[in-house]
Amino acid sequence: AQSVTQLDSHVSVSEGTPVLLRCNYSSSYSPSLFWYVQHPNKGLQLLLKYTSAATLVKGINGFEAEFKKSETSFHLTKPSAHMSDAAEYFCVVSDRGDGGFKTIFGAGTRLFVKA
Amino acid sequence: NAGVTQTPKFQVLKTGQSMTLQCAQDMNHEYMSWYRQDPGMGLRLIHYSVGAGITDQGEVPNGYNVSRSTTEDFPLRLLSAAPSQTSVYFCASSYPGRASLQYFGPGTRLLVL
Repeated sequence: AQSVTQLDSHVSVSEGTPVLLRCNYSSSYSPSLFWYVQHPNKGLQLLLKYTSAATLVKGINGFEAEFKKSETSFHLTKPSAHMSDAAEYFCVVSDRGDGGFKTIFGAGTRLFVKA
Repeated sequence: NAGVTQTPKFQVLKTGQSMTLQCAQDMNHEYMSWYRQDPGMGLRLIHYSVGAGITDQGEVPNGYNVSRSTTEDFPLRLLSAAPSQTSVYFCASSYPGRASLQYFGPGTRLLVL
């Protein structure tokens, strides 16, 4: 069965410093992994996705994530935080389940960016 | 394309009332799903559908019904609203397959008093 664990419920960084949002997953097969961002009172927006091609995935707004199968991790990083990055971030795993494929969301990590 | 649309945006219900949250997509996606979002719990899957006439339960289906009579529409029915159903509800659609990007609607904010 699939599961997703986002290791931090909230992360606080200063503007201009690196961002690291951690995600571990479990899956019985070869999953697809996604990161979504949700700004306050807005819908969900896809940042990036991994689908068994290159293990380092580049997304929008300078974010990237590295798929590490040996560590079952898919951490999200950005070299330099911007105030506009303050939002909630969701790690998502999608894989085969009973009767088809299923998509499971992590609990979310809220990113705070200090001036 | 309008993408995924949801109505209403906001709704207040009294305990015991019933209502239907509407979801429609114009991308000819086979897969549609309903999630609820609660603080600290991420999005939890309520029901999903892999095509017209086919629906199945997700993680938290109790208290909700769905039907899929057309490819475009996937309404979510609350049979007898309870305060525990106060949440933000998102509808999503995609092509089938694990690598498919899900497109989300803007959400419906529901308050049950």
